[in-house]
Order: sequence, then C-alpha cells, then structure tokens
Amino acid sequence: GENVEQHPSTLSVQEGDSAVIKCTYSDSASNYFPWYKQELGKGPQLIIDIRSNVGEKKDQRIAVTLNKTAKHFSLHITETQPEDSAVYFCAATPINAGGTSYGKLTFGQGTILTVHP
Amino acid sequence: NAGVTQTPKFRVLKTGQSMTLLCAQDMNHEYMYWYRQDPGMGLRLIHYSVGEGTTAKGEVPDGYNVSRLKKQNFLLGLESAAPSQTSVYFCASTFGGHRYEQYFGPGTRLTVT
Repeated sequence: GENVEQHPSTLSVQEGDSAVIKCTYSDSASNYFPWYKQELGKGPQLIIDIRSNVGEKKDQRIAVTLNKTAKHFSLHITETQPEDSAVYFCAATPINAGGTSYGKLTFGQGTILTVHP
Repeated sequence: NAGVTQTPKFRVLKTGQSMTLLCAQDMNHEYMYWYRQDPGMGLRLIHYSVGEGTTAKGEVPDGYNVSRLKKQNFLLGLESAAPSQTSVYFCASTFGGHRYEQYFGPGTRLTVT
C-alpha cells in the first residue's frame, strides 16, 4: 500500500518568513495530493490540493509543487503570520476513472508549524 | 449547513466497555470515513463507506465495527474497549465520483482506562 513520509516534524519561523514542508510517497498510482491544516482542538481542514496532471498550484500565500518523477510534493507558505501556526498534514491517494480507489487517503505524520511574532 | 458533526466530543471508558460514536453530515456526501489520530502517526483510516448500506475495512479496522444505515450517518462501534483504542477519532465525508475533497468533523477524544 501507499506510504507517505513528511518532514520536518516541527518547524519554527519568524513572522514574514517562508515555510516549506515536504512529503514523499511510494505508490506511483497516487495522483491526488491534498494538504490539511489542523488547529488545536479542531478537525483537519483542506487548504490546498493538487492532481498529478499539474506541477504547481497557488492560492494566495500558499502553493503546492509536485514532482511525479521523484515522488515528492511540497507545501510553501509565504509571508507567514501567527495565525498560520498549526499542524499541517500531507496526504496521497490514487483516483482512478472507475472510482474504485474510493478516495482513501494515506496521511503523513504531520508538521507542527510555529510562527513567532 | 452544519457540515460534519460528531457526538460525543469526549468520552472515558473502562476496559471492556462498549460505545458508539456518531457521525452526521448534511452535505449529501456519498462517501464517509472514520480515522484515528495518534501522536506522531498522522491519521489512519479505520473503516469507510461508499454509500448507504455499504462498509469496508481501512488500514486499522481491528476492534471496531461500523454501520451506514442512512446516507447522512456513519456509526463507529467499539464492542470491548482496550487501552490501545485511546485516541482522537475523526469522521470525514466527500462526494466521491471525481470529487475527493474530504471534510472533517471536530473529533471525539476517547480515553480507555
């Protein structure tokens, strides 16, 4: 089955700096890669996702890049703010035309991001 | 829309006791999932359902059972709780088909003593 490794486990930055979180996956069939943000005491919330037919996707201060050959994808947060402090998870799953993968996500271990004012 | 809701929010069980966690969604999603979250291990899939009346095993199904009698509800049962089942449990749902964005509930923190 799929295995997703996420690094680093903790990341501390100053407000205004950039933050980068990296994930690698093992199953070449995986083609959907979402990123989730989890604030203390809450459930994960989808912040951005990418499918393997594109190499990069941006949404304001966040972006995700995908390297299918190397089987890794990364989350980039620019101009970090204290409210970006949270746990971030990457995930991967194959989505096939027949719909038989059922969207079962394999998650990375999580990164605790702390943004210092 | 309430989105995905979970009850209860907290629960303490003694070893051997049973309980049921309820997940409800009002987004007309076809697929629903149960995950557990343990420190340093991310979220792991317990069971999932791809429609009313269907269930299937995920990565860590042992010790759990599920039922999806209504499209909007997905129940997770622990028949005989063990300390190893101390965890935070999250329910999620999605449309399915070609839409796989999962929406998560707020979680249930379960402690088994």
